[in-house]
Amino acid sequence: DAKTTQPNSMESNEEEPVHLPCNHSTISGTDYIHWYRQLPSQGPEYVIHGLTSNVNNRMASLAIAEDRKSSTLILHRATLRDAAVYYCILPNSGYALNFGKGTSLLVTP
Amino acid sequence: KAGVTQTPRYLIKTRGQQVTLSCSPISGHRSVSWYQQTPGQGLQFLFEYFSETQRNKGNFPGRFSGRQFSNSRSEMNVSTLELGDSALYLCASSLVRGLTDTQYFGPGTRLTVL
Repeated sequence: DAKTTQPNSMESNEEEPVHLPCNHSTISGTDYIHWYRQLPSQGPEYVIHGLTSNVNNRMASLAIAEDRKSSTLILHRATLRDAAVYYCILPNSGYALNFGKGTSLLVTP
Repeated sequence: KAGVTQTPRYLIKTRGQQVTLSCSPISGHRSVSWYQQTPGQGLQFLFEYFSETQRNKGNFPGRFSGRQFSNSRSEMNVSTLELGDSALYLCASSLVRGLTDTQYFGPGTRLTVL
């Protein structure tokens, strides 16, 4: 299964854009890139996913490198409610989510 | 549409006992997965059920088991509890099984083993 690497933590100011990086150099051609986040005291929640093209939804944007070896989750205007652990995941062939350590995002007012 | 529900939300057991946790998926979802979350190991995949059959299993001992009923509701059981089983147990449901399927998580059951 392909592995992902994320920074342990990042900090952002409120209402500023946030770019959360993820490296997945061993990604295969059929691996989808999923992002989930876990707010304090809650279960994880889906953020976005993509395969090759950049993707946008109401929560975030996903920018995927041309060689697909890295991707970036973009929160356009961080709010205090976006403080969470963000996980970049490549679901394995059994569809299980291997969460890893994720990136803990701190948002300061 | 109601989300994933898990019962009970909190549970305290003693070593050697067994415990059963319940998960009701979102209506219409057929796949249910279970995860264990601890401060040391993070979120780890336990197993997944689809159409009442276990389709995938993580690296956990046989004390951890589960099942899925015809209405897609699922239970997981842990026998002979150990202190290290203290964790947040999360259930997630998805419509089917696929690489693009979104998993929707419940709030979890907090198990404390004394």
